[in-house]
Amino acid sequence: SQQGEEDPQALSIQEGENATMNCSYKTSINNLQWYRQNSGRGLVHLILIRSNEREKHSGRLRVTLDTSKKSSSLLITASRAADTASYFCATVETGANNLFFGTGTRLTVIP
Amino acid sequence: DAGVIQSPRHEVTEMGQEVTLRCKPISGHNSLFWYRQTMMRGLELLIYFNNNVPIDDSGMPEDRFSAKMPNASFSTLKIQPSEPRDSAVYFCASSTDSSYGYTFGSGTRLTVV
Repeated sequence: SQQGEEDPQALSIQEGENATMNCSYKTSINNLQWYRQNSGRGLVHLILIRSNEREKHSGRLRVTLDTSKKSSSLLITASRAADTASYFCATVETGANNLFFGTGTRLTVIP
Repeated sequence: DAGVIQSPRHEVTEMGQEVTLRCKPISGHNSLFWYRQTMMRGLELLIYFNNNVPIDDSGMPEDRFSAKMPNASFSTLKIQPSEPRDSAVYFCASSTDSSYGYTFGSGTRLTVV
């Protein structure tokens, strides 16, 4: 039932560097969302981008969406050790109300 | 608001036993979702409700799984009988509609031995 695939599966960077994660999906969407999951915890909603939007910012987060390529990217700037977590993209298909998650990217930020 | 509340946080049970997971969504949210997370299969949508009515249960693995939402503030996911392959973390989430982000509970870690 998963719609998205994320790349890379794992990413390790130094604190202060930028982290970029990519997501590809398969069908027509209403919106795409990014979530963070700390180890052993629930998922936390980060940002939502609608199908008619191309870019969105929230603090240190920047999300882009290319519906022609069915892809999205999440950029975290000036990373911190506290950003260490798994990041998931999730899509709401056109005409639907349910959210399908990608496989996730495990981000490790080294202090 | 206390967020989405799930109970129990951890459940260890023997194969063949009935397991009931509980969820209290955020007040005012009219959609509720049950997900299962495993290393092998990632996050799978099991079922979702809209205004207490089950809309899509195509993700429910088999007849051993059932879910109910008797009112807007409570939902259960039941597994009967449980099997070791049901071991996973089960998440409940709620939302107002698909144009907004979902709020997830902390999950129930189920271990069937």
